[in-house]
Amino acid sequence: NAGVMQNPRHLVRRRGQEARLRCSPMKGHSHVYWYRQLPEEGLKFMVYLQKENIIDESGMPKERFSAEFPKEGPSILRIQQVVRGDSAAYFCASSPLWVAGVYEQYFGPGTRLTVT
Amino acid sequence: KNEVEQSPQNLTAQEGEFITINCSYSVGISALHWLQQHPGGGIVSLFMLSSGKKKHGRLIATINIQEKHSSLHITASHPRDSAVYICAVLVVGRTGNQFYFGTGTSLTVIP
Repeated sequence: NAGVMQNPRHLVRRRGQEARLRCSPMKGHSHVYWYRQLPEEGLKFMVYLQKENIIDESGMPKERFSAEFPKEGPSILRIQQVVRGDSAAYFCASSPLWVAGVYEQYFGPGTRLTVT
Repeated sequence: KNEVEQSPQNLTAQEGEFITINCSYSVGISALHWLQQHPGGGIVSLFMLSSGKKKHGRLIATINIQEKHSSLHITASHPRDSAVYICAVLVVGRTGNQFYFGTGTSLTVIP
């Protein structure tokens, strides 16, 4: 059973370009979480999705950031018009169906975004 | 003030030493994770706890819900344990789930 897959592992974008980060959850997992780790800072929650549904996006910046988890295919975190401050490591995690508040998350290797 | 506080921030130990990393939180939680992040950046979930104690190999995690405190212990530490250890809590509310992370404890185990 393959783990959580993220691609690309490294992404370089110029200011103003768009960045698309992909996350394929573990087989059988229906929940995906995106986290951001800024340089020299801790992990911060961004968004929590089920297939075709955003459960909680309270950690997402209000502008330029969006996320989706379609019925088919990977979850996508999209950053429009990137700025230098978006440079960070973006981690995806997945979990199986959440029952009674108990769950386990499995993390992907992360995508390191560098904005030049 | 952070919802999750870890101590110490940095820890250096000799190989074989017993290590304790502490996590205190200020919110009511549904679950607490201990994560390990290696120098390459990859993150591994070590434990998920909602009560009591769990053990996996040389790692032990405990949680005291009343005191809002968790500890991660490493017995017979080894250089390969060198990593950043992160405490993360999940708060489940009516409007959704909130995740809070500690800033991590950087552990270096010297041979």
